[in-house]
Amino acid sequence: SQTIHQWPATLVQPVGSPLSLECTVEGTSNPNLYWYRQAAGRGLQLLFYSVGIGQISSEVPQNLSASRPQDRQFILSSKKLLLSDSGFYLCASRIIGLVSGELFFGEGSRLTVL
Amino acid sequence: ELKVEQNPLFLSMQEGKNYTIYCNYSTTSDRLYWYRQDPGKSLESLFVLLSNGAVKQEGRLMASLDTKARLSTLHITAAVHDLSATYFCAAWAQGGSEKLVFGKGTKLTVNP
Repeated sequence: SQTIHQWPATLVQPVGSPLSLECTVEGTSNPNLYWYRQAAGRGLQLLFYSVGIGQISSEVPQNLSASRPQDRQFILSSKKLLLSDSGFYLCASRIIGLVSGELFFGEGSRLTVL
Repeated sequence: ELKVEQNPLFLSMQEGKNYTIYCNYSTTSDRLYWYRQDPGKSLESLFVLLSNGAVKQEGRLMASLDTKARLSTLHITAAVHDLSATYFCAAWAQGGSEKLVFGKGTKLTVNP
């Protein structure tokens, strides 16, 4: 079975600082990968997804970007954080060919921008 | 654009009682998912419903899917405190989209 690691688990950053969140997947190859954000209040918003190395699709225009430098690595970045970037960032993986099509989530990274 | 709506958004119930959470979605989707989230934690997959009429049960939770009505239900039987969590339903947007759309979640509190 696959395991999804995210780090850091928690971080506090000042407005205007850069950001890098990392997600790595073990136990499967060539997964589809996703970044979701959950702001205070609960809803989940899809930010980016990737179907392969170097392939990134953006769902929401904003000051965030994503990259997939390796098959099982997905990175979320920002050059300058805004207060509104605070939230719980979740990386998810979908195993291609699995009939269920469900997403499996990592442990999350909680970002507070001050 | 697919919209997924859950109700109620907040549910407070006593131990031993039964209740149902509803999940409506606006466009055709052949698969429906239920997730659980404990406070401060990530999402855990509960049920995957793959076809019309599908019913899945795990302990005190039972989920069902009616694709014609675009409705899924999560039924809680004889609630216990350990079921306190936020429950999300989710469905894929149309046509091979890679966007899994979530409802806003139902925060369930089970009181002794």
